[in-house]
Amino acid sequence: EAGVAQSPRYKIIEKRQSVAFWCNPISGHATLYWYQQILGQGPKLLIQFQNNGVVDDSQLPKDRFSAERLKGVDSTLKIQPAKLEDSAVYLCASSPRGGSETTEAFFGQGTRLTVV
Amino acid sequence: AQSVTQLGSHVSVSEGALVLLRCNYSSSVPPYLFWYVQYPNQGLQLLLKYTSAATLVKGINGFEAEFKKSETSFHLTKPSAHMSDAAEYFCAVSSGAGSYQLTFGKGTKLSVIP
Repeated sequence: EAGVAQSPRYKIIEKRQSVAFWCNPISGHATLYWYQQILGQGPKLLIQFQNNGVVDDSQLPKDRFSAERLKGVDSTLKIQPAKLEDSAVYLCASSPRGGSETTEAFFGQGTRLTVV
Repeated sequence: AQSVTQLGSHVSVSEGALVLLRCNYSSSVPPYLFWYVQYPNQGLQLLLKYTSAATLVKGINGFEAEFKKSETSFHLTKPSAHMSDAAEYFCAVSSGAGSYQLTFGKGTKLSVIP
């Protein structure tokens, strides 16, 4: 079974530029998550999708971050304009619809963003 | 609201010694609890999870954790450390039973000394 795919793996941009990250979840997984992991901290949830609808985006800085999941499959997270404090690893995860004792969330390898 | 506190940002053990990584949680609902491992430049891999079944949970690579409601703890243990266990470990709590919207601790970096 193929895992969660993310691209690019690494990205370096200057502040005030824009950047986009792509995530392709495991086939058939209805739920998709984007997390931000700043160096030295645990991941923090930015947004959760159920199919192509947003379940929770309360921690997404909407003045500069946006995310979409067209057709309920792959997803794109965008930052415009980027700030220095956006330097982090952006992790995508997916899980089957809902959650139960027999399911789990699977994480991609992440995109490491450096803003200079 | 949920929160997780991991005691010790860095733990060092000798190869073959007991591994104990501490995690305390706060949750307003019956929690699902998780331990994830992260190797350098890799994503998160699930070690084990507690989902209101048995309080002693066994995971991969010889790790286990015990859910103690009275202490609001979910400490991770392994009887004998191996060099390959060196990584960063994250404890996490879900926003509610059946959810994988996770709140993570800050992580504990485990070093194994030969």
